[in-house]
Amino acid sequence: DAGVTQSPTHLIKTRGQQVTLRCSPKSGHDTVSWYQQALGQGPQFIFQYYEEEERQRGNFPDRFSGHQFPNYSSELNVNALLLGDSALYLCASSLGGQSNQPQHFGDGTRLSIL
Amino acid sequence: DQQVKQNSPSLSVQEGRISILNCDYTNSMFDYFLWYKKYPAEGPTFLISISSIKDKNEDGRFTVFLNKSAKHLSLHIVPSQPGDSAVYFCAAKSISGGGADGLTFGKGTHLIIQP
Repeated sequence: DAGVTQSPTHLIKTRGQQVTLRCSPKSGHDTVSWYQQALGQGPQFIFQYYEEEERQRGNFPDRFSGHQFPNYSSELNVNALLLGDSALYLCASSLGGQSNQPQHFGDGTRLSIL
Repeated sequence: DQQVKQNSPSLSVQEGRISILNCDYTNSMFDYFLWYKKYPAEGPTFLISISSIKDKNEDGRFTVFLNKSAKHLSLHIVPSQPGDSAVYFCAAKSISGGGADGLTFGKGTHLIIQP
């Protein structure tokens, strides 16, 4: 039973560049959420995708965008990268867009901005 | 404005004793609470959850207590084992509030189990 997988594991970019991170949900899950975890902080909710639509968005600027594909996998895109975007980006999957089922997390992508 | 607070950045407990991790929340709309455990270089792993209709939920060595009037929950680990050393995150969401279910996390508590 494959869990949540994310790629790449590490990425180094420079200011102003664009980046795409990828996530495959746990088998049987149809909902993907993205989180940003800065050093010493808890994960912060970016947005959630369900049925290929963005259902909810946290307090992040429009530079952060996403997509969900028919196979439920998802991408997170960040444009015009800033130094403050350096963080661990976590993907979580769950079943159904609104439920009392826990979200299951991948191991994350560590993004460093130089 | 932190809606979920874990006021202890770290906690040291002897092996075999009880570990108690605390979490406070301010948003009255939160009605579902979760605890996650995180090892370095890994993603958070779900441990246990509780709905606001309950005040206690137990799973093996892990028990979560919820005090709605105080907006406080705690995670008890008994007995504590060396493998429990990790960062523990408290998270909350609103199910009844409608919409999707992005989680709001605390900053985490680093639990260290001493031999």
